[in-house]
Amino acid sequence: GQNIDQPTEMTATEGAIVQINCTYQTSGFNGLFWYQQHAGEAPTFLSYNVLDGLEEKGRFSSFLSRSKGYSYLLLKELQMKDSASYLCASSSGGYNKLIFGAGTRLAVHP
Amino acid sequence: DTAVSQTPKYLVTQMGNDKSIKCEQNLGHDTMYWYKQDSKKFLKIMFSYNNKELIINETVPNRFSPKSPDKAHLNLHINSLELGDSAVYFCASSHVTDYTTADTQYFGPGTRLTVL
Repeated sequence: GQNIDQPTEMTATEGAIVQINCTYQTSGFNGLFWYQQHAGEAPTFLSYNVLDGLEEKGRFSSFLSRSKGYSYLLLKELQMKDSASYLCASSSGGYNKLIFGAGTRLAVHP
Repeated sequence: DTAVSQTPKYLVTQMGNDKSIKCEQNLGHDTMYWYKQDSKKFLKIMFSYNNKELIINETVPNRFSPKSPDKAHLNLHINSLELGDSAVYFCASSHVTDYTTADTQYFGPGTRLTVL
């Protein structure tokens, strides 16, 4: 079956670094996406990994290990506006079908 | 210059009614999707169309019927609405041209459906 696991909630302090982990078991794997979703808004794209390794984009980085079925999203220099849900999604099964995890709700406090 | 738009943004209706949600994208993408996000915020794929052809059809009650008049539009019609249909429905589009392609999906603002 298709399964994606990520922590339900995390808290962190402004200015700190936080790592959100995601493990997946999906068939026809074609890459791993991370999306950010603020309350009441649409998901917005953060990153995409298809090869093993780290992709860095400003304050956000994402890592993938295909052999371990594991990814993480690293957020540096946290800001209050980073308080949101972070959705891990596996592209699986063709035509970019995305299987989403339940999301990790991140709360950043002063 | 909205990329993916949906109407209406809010929809409140009685059980048993029939309703439609419309989606349009101006990104020139070939593939469009419908997702349902329930009260637990779990986002789940329902349907996908590539160039007006249905390519993904998940286990969804047949009361839900998607229609794509052209590749820029994907509508969702729901018959005989039930309480459990209450959710946020998101439309998305992507530059995916074939079975093997993966690319960013861009989401519309969502339609919050409440069935009373």
